[in-house]
Amino acid sequence: SQQGEEDPQALSIQEGENATMNCSYKTSINNLQWYRQNSGRGLVHLILIRSNEREKHSGRLRVTLDTSKKSSSLLITASRAADTASYFCATVQTGANNLFFGTGTRLTVIP
Amino acid sequence: GAVVSQHPSWVICKSGTSVKIECRSLDFQATTMFWYRQFPKQSLMLMATSNEGSKATYEQGVEKDKFLINHASLTLSTLTVTSAHPEDSSFYICSASLTPINYGYTFGSGTRLTVV
Repeated sequence: SQQGEEDPQALSIQEGENATMNCSYKTSINNLQWYRQNSGRGLVHLILIRSNEREKHSGRLRVTLDTSKKSSSLLITASRAADTASYFCATVQTGANNLFFGTGTRLTVIP
Repeated sequence: GAVVSQHPSWVICKSGTSVKIECRSLDFQATTMFWYRQFPKQSLMLMATSNEGSKATYEQGVEKDKFLINHASLTLSTLTVTSAHPEDSSFYICSASLTPINYGYTFGSGTRLTVV
């Protein structure tokens, strides 16, 4: 399977705390992306990090990429109740243009 | 920004009938669109890559005669679930991108298919 894996599968934190999700993948990639999905809805693109980048920021989001370990992490700082959703990493393999998703992390932020 | 519209949002059909789902890129041309399937509380599984003007590329294990994909124009791809069965009940999502290498993908809002 080309699907990546994420951990934890579920994460529950208090509002204001930071949330960290990890993603591991299997193949050589062109880029790695993080998406958010609210229950039963479509996906929203959060951030893209290229294979030659190691860290990227966007607002309260911080993404790291370690291609030697084939892993990435997503950090959400100062979490809010509205951040409650499922978060997926997805990779675009080298030479391809289709996305393969990780297993996802269900984040619950308690007000 | 890039907008992808998917229709219908939900559909209920009887076993044995066929259902067509549409995916449109509203403000950009998409030579390639992607179809995913998602079971409850699970991740998205890529079903096929839809190529404008040519045959779709199906992932291993996806029946091409069961899930017919047509990408007749640069703004429309359709997925038809033929002879639907209850096990086909799922959430189907399409996506497209202006420039896949540099930008993220835009996803449709998904279609909840229930086969009874």
